[in-house]
Amino acid sequence: DAKTTQPPSMDCAEGRAANLPCNHSTISGNEYVYWYRQIHSQGPQYIIHGLKNNETNEMASLIITEDRKSSTLILPHATLRDTAVYYCIVRLREYGNKLVFGAGTILRVKS
Amino acid sequence: EPEVTQTPSHQVTQMGQEVILRCVPISNHLYFYWYRQILGQKVEFLVSFYNNEISEKSEIFDDQFSVERPDGSNFTLKIRSTKLEDSAMYFCASSVGRASGANVLTFGAGSRLTVL
Repeated sequence: DAKTTQPPSMDCAEGRAANLPCNHSTISGNEYVYWYRQIHSQGPQYIIHGLKNNETNEMASLIITEDRKSSTLILPHATLRDTAVYYCIVRLREYGNKLVFGAGTILRVKS
Repeated sequence: EPEVTQTPSHQVTQMGQEVILRCVPISNHLYFYWYRQILGQKVEFLVSFYNNEISEKSEIFDDQFSVERPDGSNFTLKIRSTKLEDSAMYFCASSVGRASGANVLTFGAGSRLTVL
């Protein structure tokens, strides 16, 4: 699976959009970008994933650059409960394929 | 929404004792996983399990560890002789494994193991 690079930490004001970047310059054509988050030692929680098109669900939006070498997770209106570690993971979508977690980005949402 | 259930939420044990951590994966999921997270460190993959056998394991998953699906619902992680360094949060996860779908892993809330 391709390696990802994320900033170690970010701050965001409550109610504002949180934009979390991820670089994955060695991503291969059939690897997907997955985002998970972990709120204070709880189990990791799936947020969103994509291949090359931008994706949106009830939690977030995922913007993937045209060359697929980077992506941005957008939380449109961050709340205090969004304070968590956010993981960007690149992997093949083969069944049974594990997730490999890096250090992620600590997002602190402040009032 | 379906969830992965883990028990116990917290277990304290003496070094050298055997520990069994239990998980009930989501009912129609076919792939099962164990991860661990030592306090302040990354979430680390231990093992994946499919069709009643280990499909992949990490270097951490040595002979002290074993997994089992004893019946149609439970998935267990056994640590035979616990060491101080086994103190961690252990997460179970499952994924559906069908020919379509996102192949998303769903995680449980974790079992905190403290070895004294």
